[in-house]
Amino acid sequence: EIVLTQSPGTLSLSPGERATLSCRASQSVTSSYLAWYQHRPGQAPRLLIYGASSRATGIPDRFTGSGSGTDFTLTISRLEPEDFAVYYCHQYGTLPWTFGQGTKVEIK
Amino acid sequence: QVQLQESGPGLVKPSETLSLTCSVSGGSVSSGNYYWSWIRQPPGKGLEWIGYLYYSGSTYYNPSLRSRVTISVDTAKNQFSLQLTSVTAADTAVYFCARGGGGPPHYWGQGTLLTVSS
Repeated sequence: EIVLTQSPGTLSLSPGERATLSCRASQSVTSSYLAWYQHRPGQAPRLLIYGASSRATGIPDRFTGSGSGTDFTLTISRLEPEDFAVYYCHQYGTLPWTFGQGTKVEIK
Repeated sequence: QVQLQESGPGLVKPSETLSLTCSVSGGSVSSGNYYWSWIRQPPGKGLEWIGYLYYSGSTYYNPSLRSRVTISVDTAKNQFSLQLTSVTAADTAVYFCARGGGGPPHYWGQGTLLTVSS
């Protein structure tokens, strides 16, 4: 299976700052079938990005996905208070589908 | 707008079979090019994909759980279900159901906590 490794484990930033999250795959992700989710405690995960760089419906443009092959990045240009959460990458190109272990973005 | 809602017993004894149900509103489980998935999150850990049921009825399960998992559909009730046999404490998790179509799971339920304990 494809193992997704996210870094860093925790990112401590202030509102208004830029966040850069990394997701590295153990093998190439088919057709850039890589997604990013935001997960707040007690809520359903929210799809942010699919196809490595396409924003899901209603997602603000401060969220940008990039990358291909084995290296992917989620950038949040200016952190809003509601952006402090855990973020997961997810590959859905090769079965079994897999998730990264998550990056927590916390308030500094 | 599609909505999904998980339901289940909350507590299951070790070695028993857990059964969870996902009720779907705003769409049919038997139409459209959709994958209906189960995903879980053990306490303090990340997400683990369990498997999916394709709208046609075919299924695929994570090899790590394949010998114990069954995902089935009840079209009359517009629900799909998860059964996991021979549970242990390691199966304690929040279980999510989700729908995806031609892409990653997009619509998710809020999740239901399942605890395995005697």
